[in-house]
Amino acid sequence: KNEVEQSPQNLTAQEGEFITINCSYSVGISALHWLQQHPGGGIVSLFMLSSGKKKHGRLIATINIQEKHSSLHITASHPRDSAVYICAAEGYTGNQFYFGTGTSLTVIP
Amino acid sequence: DVKVTQSSRYLVKRTGEKVFLECVQDMDHENMFWYRQDPGLGLRLIYFSYDVKMKEKGDIPEGYSVSREKKERFSLILESASTNQTSMYLCASSFEGVNTEAFFGQGTRLTVV
Repeated sequence: KNEVEQSPQNLTAQEGEFITINCSYSVGISALHWLQQHPGGGIVSLFMLSSGKKKHGRLIATINIQEKHSSLHITASHPRDSAVYICAAEGYTGNQFYFGTGTSLTVIP
Repeated sequence: DVKVTQSSRYLVKRTGEKVFLECVQDMDHENMFWYRQDPGLGLRLIYFSYDVKMKEKGDIPEGYSVSREKKERFSLILESASTNQTSMYLCASSFEGVNTEAFFGQGTRLTVV
């Protein structure tokens, strides 16, 4: 049983397209994290949110606490956005994270 | 620029060897984590440390141990490496408490032959 489910698993888009990655979770959370992992392995934190919506450049993250669902949107996608995007639900203690298996995004020029 | 540094990007070891993976952070974080990442399984927590000399087992601690003698350094030890420990290993750190951003290292891709 996975506490965090992401969809789609793989996504290919044309440059300029609007992209949505979805994350559903089944546990109570203190926050929801979106992470980005480029080829080579390093992971970067994109967003941490516990309600509403956050925006950073072309990236937007939203969360609906009642529905236990979060989305990551990328506007005007670019090949440099190609990466694996990981959703992580943070529990109520400082060490409890539930990770999705990631969405592999490829943006074609 | 904040940084979590893992000692090796790529490592090849023989079955039965004792393997040390080192992680150093320069942000004075209390929490440090070791994860392994395998295709289709996502990140799984091996061990967590919330202070010097303090550690807690994660979801998959079997075959691993850890050491945290200094606040900035968290070591993962494979006592006797086996082929099923071939994986990507990621270290992370954060301040104590909830809703704090985690910072990750670049990862160590370990192959056990």
